[in-house]
Amino acid sequence: SAVISQKPSRDICQRGTSLTIQCQVDSQVTMMFWYRQQPGQSLTLIATANQGSEATYESGFVIDKFPISRPNLTFSTLTVSNMSPEDSSIYLCSVPGVGTGPSDQPQHFGDGTRLSIL
Amino acid sequence: AQKVTQAQTEISVVEKEDVTLDCVYETRDTTYYLFWYKQPPSGELVFLIRRNSFDEQNEISGRYSWNFQKSTSSFNFTITASQVVDSAVYFCALSGAPTYNTNAGKSTFGDGTTLTVKP
Repeated sequence: SAVISQKPSRDICQRGTSLTIQCQVDSQVTMMFWYRQQPGQSLTLIATANQGSEATYESGFVIDKFPISRPNLTFSTLTVSNMSPEDSSIYLCSVPGVGTGPSDQPQHFGDGTRLSIL
Repeated sequence: AQKVTQAQTEISVVEKEDVTLDCVYETRDTTYYLFWYKQPPSGELVFLIRRNSFDEQNEISGRYSWNFQKSTSSFNFTITASQVVDSAVYFCALSGAPTYNTNAGKSTFGDGTTLTVKP
């Protein structure tokens, strides 16, 4: 299964600043996904990062707020721009799994980046 | 659009009781995957089980069992003889199968059910 490394694991940031989160995968993947989990909430898909093309954003998320880079098939970054306290969340990187058995994960998640905005 | 509904926001049981977590889903994809994750207080997502849309066979793994009913678009999760360590938030999720589906690889999560097992 894919191993995903996310950096930083956590950060505390000031209002109005921006933070870039890195996601490194140990194998080449076509699609990478970025999710957000606000406190006490479920996971919500922010966007799909495709190598060689612009990211595809879900409803409610825009590129100006969450710019994404995908320079190659093993790496992506998500930037949270002009942060406010409402952006305090866990941000997770994910890639599709392989295999279709009951024990095969449809997706692999990184450990997440816990972001707190003061 | 895909949708997953977990109607039970919170459930509290006493240890050794059986508990069923409900999950109802909506999708227009003909091939899709359903799965359950556990998120303990430590925060990491722990993958539990996956079912494919073309396989309605129910699954049992130790104290865990899953009932997939395509006719009612449900994928319920039962914990038998619950234990305090089962206390966590449980997420049901749905994703499109790779290729040919607009939802390929993307997962839609339910709001989660917080299970508290008291000693």
